[in-house]
Amino acid sequence: KQEVTQIPAALSVPEGENLVLNCSFTDSAIYNLQWFRQDPGKGLTSLLLIQSSQREQTSGRLNASLDKSSGRSTLYIAASQPGDSATYLCAVLNAGGTSYGKLTFGQGTILTVHP
Amino acid sequence: GAGVSQSPSNKVTEKGKDVELRCDPISGHTALYWYRQSLGQGLEFLIYFQGNSAPDKSGLPSDRFSAERTGGSVSTLTIQRTQQEDSAVYLCASSPGSSGGPLVEQFFGPGTRLTVL
Repeated sequence: KQEVTQIPAALSVPEGENLVLNCSFTDSAIYNLQWFRQDPGKGLTSLLLIQSSQREQTSGRLNASLDKSSGRSTLYIAASQPGDSATYLCAVLNAGGTSYGKLTFGQGTILTVHP
Repeated sequence: GAGVSQSPSNKVTEKGKDVELRCDPISGHTALYWYRQSLGQGLEFLIYFQGNSAPDKSGLPSDRFSAERTGGSVSTLTIQRTQQEDSAVYLCASSPGSSGGPLVEQFFGPGTRLTVL
């Protein structure tokens, strides 16, 4: 059974800092990995998607990497801003077995960027 | 274009009542998913529809939960005889999908917050 773990559970940083959020997964049979952002009381906004054959994806100040063999992904946020404050969720799209086609989510990292 | 929409945005019901939650996927998306987000459990997969194939219901927590997708578009998640532990945010997602499997990005709706008193 796929399990996804995110570290840290919460992170508080001053504005302007570069930061790294970590995600690990136990089953490397994945199609892709997505990073989402969730604001309080809102749905999920997709930030980046990395296919299993890719190593990284970039969008603006965000960079996500994937090391499928070791079951790890990182989300790098450069020059953080208060508007980045949200919960960041990592999810893998499973490729095999009974979990085929389903997203398995981590518990999320609650990020607070203070001015 | 329009994203995934869900209704109602909030639903408060009494224990034992039935509820229906609606999801309108992005037009043209063949794959549709329901997830549940509750305190302490995080986000859990419930059910997955892909085109005309039989749905994958393996995530439904009990036989009180059912879902259908009419005409390959709108989906309804029904919870019968609601219990307090059913209180959660129910999220719907859709993706373009493919005959070979859901290899692409899933787009989420805003969710329905269900509270069972």
